[in-house]
Amino acid sequence: DAGITQSPRHKVTETGTPVTLRCHQTENHRYMYWYRQDPGHGLRLIHYSYGVKDTDKGEVSDGYSVSRSKTEDFLLTLESATSSQTSVYFCAISERTSGDYGYTFGSGTRLTVV
Amino acid sequence: QKEVEQNSGPLSVPEGAIASLNCTYSDRGSQSFFWYRQYSGKSPELIMFIYSNGDKEDGRFTAQLNKASQYVSLLIRDSQPSDSATYLCAVRSNTGKLIFGQGTTLQVKP
Repeated sequence: DAGITQSPRHKVTETGTPVTLRCHQTENHRYMYWYRQDPGHGLRLIHYSYGVKDTDKGEVSDGYSVSRSKTEDFLLTLESATSSQTSVYFCAISERTSGDYGYTFGSGTRLTVV
Repeated sequence: QKEVEQNSGPLSVPEGAIASLNCTYSDRGSQSFFWYRQYSGKSPELIMFIYSNGDKEDGRFTAQLNKASQYVSLLIRDSQPSDSATYLCAVRSNTGKLIFGQGTTLQVKP
């Protein structure tokens, strides 16, 4: 998607290892979000950010941490990966949190924990 | 009760028919409503936004909102096989964040 990129696109990692996913945007949007998507659960919010160094937890934040040291980058870290964290991870950005401002999603990262 | 509910489907319609996708929400104070389309293996993309009661049309797509009954629907006229995808309903919460339903899978059969 134009303006938002996620890396890596695919990753296989071993249980117990730390993993960092990166979301990079060129839109200068203030708001950034990390979601995971699993069959039967839809999109679930992990963490979000309202600005540089301003982050908060979502509904499924256990085992995850985030950092935002620059407007354009939002990092998601799995402290010690577990098989239950095998999922597709989407980053999203938004210019505002009102009105008709929806989210724009990145292409996603498919993470497999073995 | 989930905040945003959708029937997971699959909803199967023949090519050329009208597909009707429904979504209910629990927060009566919700003001903004979105429909996203997600093709298999791809990311969600925004296709419709509505905030006023009634209908909003955009090409073959019509979003309908009924705040009194707390439901939002998406109609797709003249359905095409290329419309086969999962459709996600999203509602803006009072915190400003979007709450997503699980999505309805639509299959349009030639």
